[in-house]
Amino acid sequence: EPEVTQTPSHQVTQMGQEVILRCVPISNHLYFYWYRQILGQKVEFLVSFYNNEISEKSEIFDDQFSVERPDGSNFTLKIRSTKLEDSAMYFCASSEEEGGGDQPQHFGDGTRLSIL
Amino acid sequence: KNEVEQSPQNLTAQEGEFITINCSYSVGISALHWLQQHPGGGIVSLFMLSSGKKKHGRLIATINIQEKHSSLHITASHPRDSAVYICAVQPGGSNYKLTFGKGTLLTVNP
Repeated sequence: EPEVTQTPSHQVTQMGQEVILRCVPISNHLYFYWYRQILGQKVEFLVSFYNNEISEKSEIFDDQFSVERPDGSNFTLKIRSTKLEDSAMYFCASSEEEGGGDQPQHFGDGTRLSIL
Repeated sequence: KNEVEQSPQNLTAQEGEFITINCSYSVGISALHWLQQHPGGGIVSLFMLSSGKKKHGRLIATINIQEKHSSLHITASHPRDSAVYICAVQPGGSNYKLTFGKGTLLTVNP
């Protein structure tokens, strides 16, 4: 069964550094998402992306965050100047059609980001 | 603001028991998702439903739109069912954003 893959599985970065988290969504999917989960807390929506633009974003997704689909397969989340509070598990997801249809979101295994 | 409340927070069961996890939400939604998160952290989608009932193997999910309530049932529970079960809703008017509950930690003992 096709999977969403995320790399790296664990990223350790110094505070203030830029980090790029990478995701390869399922190949025929059109909608892409990033979520994060701070340790011990619930999963939070960050951003959704369709047709090469952001469809919806949360208040968490401020100017230090950006997303990109640089080619036909990758979907990236960039954090420009990391802060300690950015430490979390980041999940990428994709779906075949927009929400409200019959197709669920498929999640990757996550990237654990640790900011020192 | 949409709140998603799950109960119980923690649930311990003996193998073979029937399990019920509940989810309540506060605003109109277009769909509700049940997700499973294993200790390693990965998330698996179990169900997406907007009305009625869905069944997959030993798992059953129901939703009552009028009462803004959903339940996830596991029949004949097994230790491999031990995981965090998360309810997430897609608010009406949003086709993308999911709002998550805090999850229910299920432990099934042999």
